[in-house]
Amino acid sequence: ELKVEQNPLFLSMQEGKNYTIYCNYSTTSDRLYWYRQDPGKSLESLFVLLSNGAVKQEGRLMASLDTKARLSTLHITAAVHDLSATYFCAVDKTGANNLFFGTGTRLTVIP
Amino acid sequence: GAVVSQHPSRVICKSGTSVKIECRSLDFQATTMFWYRQFPKQSLMLMATSNEGSKATYEQGVEKDKFLINHASLTLSTLTVTSAHPEDSSFYICSAPGTGNAGNTIYFGEGSWLTVV
Repeated sequence: ELKVEQNPLFLSMQEGKNYTIYCNYSTTSDRLYWYRQDPGKSLESLFVLLSNGAVKQEGRLMASLDTKARLSTLHITAAVHDLSATYFCAVDKTGANNLFFGTGTRLTVIP
Repeated sequence: GAVVSQHPSRVICKSGTSVKIECRSLDFQATTMFWYRQFPKQSLMLMATSNEGSKATYEQGVEKDKFLINHASLTLSTLTVTSAHPEDSSFYICSAPGTGNAGNTIYFGEGSWLTVV
């Protein structure tokens, strides 16, 4: 059974601080996705990581993928309140575009 | 703008009735679409893969007779929750993989809130 685990589950951080969210998965996969979800809304695509060592950055967020360690990270730099949301990683287990989601990390950025 | 559209965004139905949710790909064709369910404060769970022209593939533990999926065309998949019960109340989200240059992108619909009373 595929397991996709994120930690922490809850993260409260002050504005201006840095932090990293971790995503571990239990099966071989070369595709890892990161999404943002605001309360009551659907998913907003953040990053698609397609190979070992892939690193992508957009604004204050940077994602990386280590397929050998089965680990992806989402790094937040100098957090701002607008980043408050729930962040999900998701693994494409079979390459067939059906995603298995992590447990989610609820981020709250405190002014 | 949205590339995958769901309808309705919110629906309330009585216990025992059926409700249909539509998922449309806009401006592109999707031979496969996916249906997820998300309970409050939980993650998304893959329910089934919708296949155009053939039967849907359901994940383990998902009742195929309760959650009927029809992929009527290359741009439309529907999920019908039959004999709905309050425990079926949830957020249902569909997705479709992009094509061409967007082949590595998976588009999600806006989601449909189902409340069974």
